Amino acid sequence: DGGITQSPKYLFRKEGQNVTLSCEQNLNHDAMYWYRQDPGQGLRLIYYSQIVNDFQKGDIAEGYSVSREKKESFPLTVTSAQKNPTAFYLCASSIKWGVDEKLFFGSGTQLSVL
Amino acid sequence: SQELEQSPQSLIVQEGKNLTINCTSSKTLYGLYWYKQKYGEGLIFLMMLQKGGEEKSHEKITAKLDEKKQQSSLHITASQPSHAGIYLCGADRFSGGYNKLIFGAGTRLAVHP
Repeated sequence: DGGITQSPKYLFRKEGQNVTLSCEQNLNHDAMYWYRQDPGQGLRLIYYSQIVNDFQKGDIAEGYSVSREKKESFPLTVTSAQKNPTAFYLCASSIKWGVDEKLFFGSGTQLSVL
Repeated sequence: SQELEQSPQSLIVQEGKNLTINCTSSKTLYGLYWYKQKYGEGLIFLMMLQKGGEEKSHEKITAKLDEKKQQSSLHITASQPSHAGIYLCGADRFSGGYNKLIFGAGTRLAVHP
């Protein structure tokens, strides 16, 4: 079945540590996104990629980095510069980037700080 | 404050009851989306509305976009425990030189048998 796979489901980060969240899709979608969800708040866009080998900062990119070397993969690294990383992270994809594009979401990764 | 305001924030209903969730924006909405999220899971697409006055239904869920395209409602008829979860509205917004999908904070729905 086609879909988006995020791993791990739960992740713990120590002080000063970088961690990487995996996102893989087999939908053949061009566009991919990373959102952060905090309790009581809507989703906020961290980074997005319109096409392979390209990515752009979203609203809250500070302390995060991404790569898009393959169409299927869009990993997110939470760096030590991100001082408040505890949140639920959602990866999404769409056929292409633009308006009126339905997003398909992965099942999320809960990141917590030890 | 959120660009998309959802109300109520949470809702508890008895199984079989009808309910309505609202999503309001101060700006004209283009491409209004409704998603459902089970706790600790990803979002599942429900419906997308694009035209003023548009209404769509899927099983027992009906979504409407008002004529001014500033408010949308999601109505569930004869609620069931399977309807429980978080309902989020999303909208296309062009800002900072790029288009993005923004979301409301969500409405948490519990359905008691």
